[in-house]
Amino acid sequence: KNEVEQSPQNLTAQEGEFITINCSYSVGISALHWLQQHPGGGIVSLFMLSSGKKKHGRLIATINIQEKHSSLHITASHPRDSAVYICAVIGGYGGSQGNLIFGKGTKLSVKP
Amino acid sequence: NAGVTQTPKFRILKIGQSMTLQCTQDMNHNYMYWYRQDPGMGLKLIYYSVGAGITDKGEVPNGYNVSRSTTEDFPLRLELAAPSQTSVYFCASSYPHRDAYEQYFGPGTRLTVT
Repeated sequence: KNEVEQSPQNLTAQEGEFITINCSYSVGISALHWLQQHPGGGIVSLFMLSSGKKKHGRLIATINIQEKHSSLHITASHPRDSAVYICAVIGGYGGSQGNLIFGKGTKLSVKP
Repeated sequence: NAGVTQTPKFRILKIGQSMTLQCTQDMNHNYMYWYRQDPGMGLKLIYYSVGAGITDKGEVPNGYNVSRSTTEDFPLRLELAAPSQTSVYFCASSYPHRDAYEQYFGPGTRLTVT
């Protein structure tokens, strides 16, 4: 069993829909990251959170430490949100040095 | 700031050849990482470094070597390339922020070994 599990693996939505991507993890963590990988391959950090909720524009990330679960929500989705969204937690080799364990990603496609 | 830069962007190697993937960051980050990303799989850590002169193995280090002579540069060396090393390679750097370590990624190097 992977230490970081994401669902769904693939998601197709219509423009304007509310989207939720889920992440469950089995390791103890100090922080969880949500990353976005563009169709061209570049990876950018969206959120880094260790408790509660964070919001950037139309993106909202929540985490429940007790349940070892995080969600990424996208409100009013747009075709430019089409990307792979990756959940990652600190752990594994040299976990105290910020090394991340990654989920396999959720591929989101938003249709106009 | 340029952030994290990687060269080359693409490379095709023959089996048994060697090459070095370059990674440079201009953010004065102490922590640097090399990951590989295979289709349908999450990124895997190859090597990491917590500062100049200090490196350590990650989850999948076999077939690779690294060095860290300066804070800015963290090259990844492939010796005797094998088809199993066909992958996309990402370099990243980070700084500690309340134990959270936000990471900044380079654009990636797509390597094919045939």
